[in-house]
Amino acid sequence: AQTVTQSQPEMSVQEAETVTLSCTYDTSESDYYLFWYKQPPSRQMILVIRQEAYKQQNATENRFSVNFQKAAKSFSLKISDSQLGDAAMYFCAYRSLETSGSRLTFGEGTQLTVNP
Amino acid sequence: NAGVTQTPKFQVLKTGQSMTLQCAQDMNHNSMYWYRQDPGMGLRLIYYSASEGTTDKGEVPNGYNVSRLNKREFSLRLESAAPSQTSVYFCASRWWANQPQHFGDGTRLSIL
Repeated sequence: AQTVTQSQPEMSVQEAETVTLSCTYDTSESDYYLFWYKQPPSRQMILVIRQEAYKQQNATENRFSVNFQKAAKSFSLKISDSQLGDAAMYFCAYRSLETSGSRLTFGEGTQLTVNP
Repeated sequence: NAGVTQTPKFQVLKTGQSMTLQCAQDMNHNSMYWYRQDPGMGLRLIYYSASEGTTDKGEVPNGYNVSRLNKREFSLRLESAAPSQTSVYFCASRWWANQPQHFGDGTRLSIL
């Protein structure tokens, strides 16, 4: 079974600065998807960015980008020019393409605080 | 566009009571999922339905049952609620293949 580990329970960043959230995963599969979800206090789960394992190019979405290191099984999220609205719990998630249902396996989450 | 709608948003139960959490999506998605979220942990899959007419156990299915009523609706039932089932429950759906899951706003369930 796959596992996802987020080793930073809490992180903080000053407004307008850059922060990187870490995620590692364990799998024996060669093809899969990785995601970062944001959960603000409203409890909504909001997709931030996704990466297909077969793509070597790191995904980017505006101020959000990832550093995907397939051999190291690492998938970190970089938030540039941090804004107060970025404060939330961030979850890394893995999706198998080989098991039925394409279920998501989540990490424990990282609580991000943005200081004004 | 409603997306994924969960009802109720909050519920308090007594131990031993039964309860059905409702989930409906209006995006014509094929797959639907139920997760629970406990403090300090990520979401864990309870049950899922890969397509209409099928359901399968996830990581933590004990104490729960599900029904995929039709393509739109996927309900989660607690037959005899236990305090260990106090959690926030999320429903999600996905259209197909490489599409991401869309989540509802969650149901906060407390069992006394």
